[in-house]
Amino acid sequence: LAKTTQPISMDSYEGQEVNITCSHNNIATNDYITWYQQFPSQGPRFIIQGYKTKVTNEVASLFIPADRKSSTLSLPRVSLSDTAVYYCLVVQGGYNKLIFGAGTRLAVHP
Amino acid sequence: DTAVSQTPKYLVTQMGNDKSIKCEQNLGHDTMYWYKQDSKKFLKIMFSYNNKELIINETVPNRFSPKSPDKAHLNLHINSLELGDSAVYFCASSQGTSGNYNEQFFGPGTRLTVL
Repeated sequence: LAKTTQPISMDSYEGQEVNITCSHNNIATNDYITWYQQFPSQGPRFIIQGYKTKVTNEVASLFIPADRKSSTLSLPRVSLSDTAVYYCLVVQGGYNKLIFGAGTRLAVHP
Repeated sequence: DTAVSQTPKYLVTQMGNDKSIKCEQNLGHDTMYWYKQDSKKFLKIMFSYNNKELIINETVPNRFSPKSPDKAHLNLHINSLELGDSAVYFCASSQGTSGNYNEQFFGPGTRLTVL
């Protein structure tokens, strides 16, 4: 499975857009890119998933360039409640095994 | 309604004891998982069951034995508990393992402390 690299931590302020970039240089053809969010004392929660180009849902957008060696999670207009750890994962298609890295600890300030 | 529930939420016990953690999902999913999150906050998959059959078994000591009485339940029994077993254990479920992707739904976790 492709290894992922993402910033250890990020800081932002309420109302700003936050972009978290993840690199996955060794991604395979049948791998998907998935992002999870984890609040303190809770289990991870699925945010978004994509294969290529752009995916948007009610929570976030995911941008994946043509070479798929990186991806960017975009959180529009963050609030204090978006303070959490965000995990970028590469999931092998047809094999639902999640390998979590250290994640990015996002702190949103008033 | 809770989708994935775990009991107990907290478990404090002595070294050498045997304990169990229970997990239930009411989502009608076929696949269930156990993850361990240690003090450094790394989440690692331990086991996965699909329709009561073991499909993923990571390098986990055989003191850990998962049991799935039906596809809605996956329990984790731990024998001869050690200090290093202290962690938060998360149960999760998904619709299946085939196809391009299956979102996993996690439970609230069980914090195990071994003294």
